[in-house]
Amino acid sequence: QVQLVQSGAEVKKPGASVKVSCKASGYTFSSYGISWVRQAPGQGLEWMGWISAYNGNTNYAQKVQGRVTMTTDTSTSTAYMELRSLRSDDTAVYYCARVDSGSDRDAFDIWGQGTMVTVSS
Amino acid sequence: DIQMTQSPSSLSASVGDRVTITCRASQSISRYLNWYQQKPGKAPKLLIYAASNLQSGVTTRFTGSGSGTDFTLTISSLQPEDFATYYCQQSYSSPSYTFGQGTKLEIK
Repeated sequence: QVQLVQSGAEVKKPGASVKVSCKASGYTFSSYGISWVRQAPGQGLEWMGWISAYNGNTNYAQKVQGRVTMTTDTSTSTAYMELRSLRSDDTAVYYCARVDSGSDRDAFDIWGQGTMVTVSS
Repeated sequence: DIQMTQSPSSLSASVGDRVTITCRASQSISRYLNWYQQKPGKAPKLLIYAASNLQSGVTTRFTGSGSGTDFTLTISSLQPEDFATYYCQQSYSSPSYTFGQGTKLEIK
């Protein structure tokens, strides 16, 4: 079945970096984009950025621009999100989502299970 | 940047009620509007895409409408499994996206 499986929970100190993985299965990885969305405890959804699994093009939200890098490895159908210079307000559940940008829609139709990243000294 | 504003932020309703959630965009987004449902501790789930199209496998209790700047999600005859938080999302500025702040639907 079509699914995205993310790496496990992380605990990091302020100023450190974290890299979260998102392994896709059940579909042609390069035919879709991947977006990353985070959710701080008790808060709403925040879009962080998008990467084309076809050519690696990226688009990042202004709020994390300069601290985030999204990449893909088509040989393993895996997407990665690295966030640097972590702060306490980066504590959140991080989700990857498949972006279906077909002729009739542009939506996040498959989601990973989420990865909790805790930033604490 | 396009801002998305949902109302209400929270809503109490009873099983069997019909409820409507509104989403307003800060500029016209045509019909590039999606709706998601999120239950506690779970990833969001796509319900409606392109304003009014039901995602495969989603119950027909959910309907979406609207275009331009004003959109609605209607749930007919609420069921216990419908109590969750709902988010709208614009994809007009793809590959840049924005979510609304969410509407929490609680049992009265």
